[in-house]
Amino acid sequence: DVKVTQSSRYLVKRTGEKVFLECVQDMDHENMFWYRQDPGLGLRLIYFSYDVKMKEKGDIPEGYSVSREKKERFSLILESASTNQTSMYLCASYSPGGIYEQYFGPGTRLTVT
Amino acid sequence: KQEVTQIPAALSVPEGENLVLNCSFTDSAIYNLQWFRQDPGKGLTSLLLIQSSQREQTSGRLNASLDKSSGRSTLYIAASQPGDSATYLCAASNTGNQFYFGTGTSLTVIP
Repeated sequence: DVKVTQSSRYLVKRTGEKVFLECVQDMDHENMFWYRQDPGLGLRLIYFSYDVKMKEKGDIPEGYSVSREKKERFSLILESASTNQTSMYLCASYSPGGIYEQYFGPGTRLTVT
Repeated sequence: KQEVTQIPAALSVPEGENLVLNCSFTDSAIYNLQWFRQDPGKGLTSLLLIQSSQREQTSGRLNASLDKSSGRSTLYIAASQPGDSATYLCAASNTGNQFYFGTGTSLTVIP
């Protein structure tokens, strides 16, 4: 059974804090994604990674950075959290060369106060 | 850039009814189209994936179709149940590295 896990289901942080969101997949997938989901806006791509140490900006990378030191782990970093980063964060992965089916983690609901 | 639209945003039906959810996309050169279910506060669960060479896929009471020429996909749910209540999202992929999501249809099945 495929598995994508995220480090926290709920997180509350203060403005200005550095925040780490972790995502781990056990499917040996090359490609991993970070999205945020907001009411009325749908899912928006923040960053994706197609290999270890490789990353590409998505549609809304401002205020975020990422790290991929191991194939199974993809971290999203908020360098200095702001209230407009309060959102649901979703991690996904898939393996290219196949049918490109995405698998999602359970999500992290981040609140920045 | 691919744009994906799902209408209506919300749908309420009585239990047992058959229903169709719609997904429209602007660029017909898609690689695949994937349907997901999302329960409140949870992640996305993959329901069905249709590759560009396919016309439809079926899983249990669910059937998804793809018409690239008209830029449409539909998700058919037979004999709806209260447990089907959730938000349904579709996502189109053009190259495999980018997935474009609709904003979803919130379905409520009334017992």
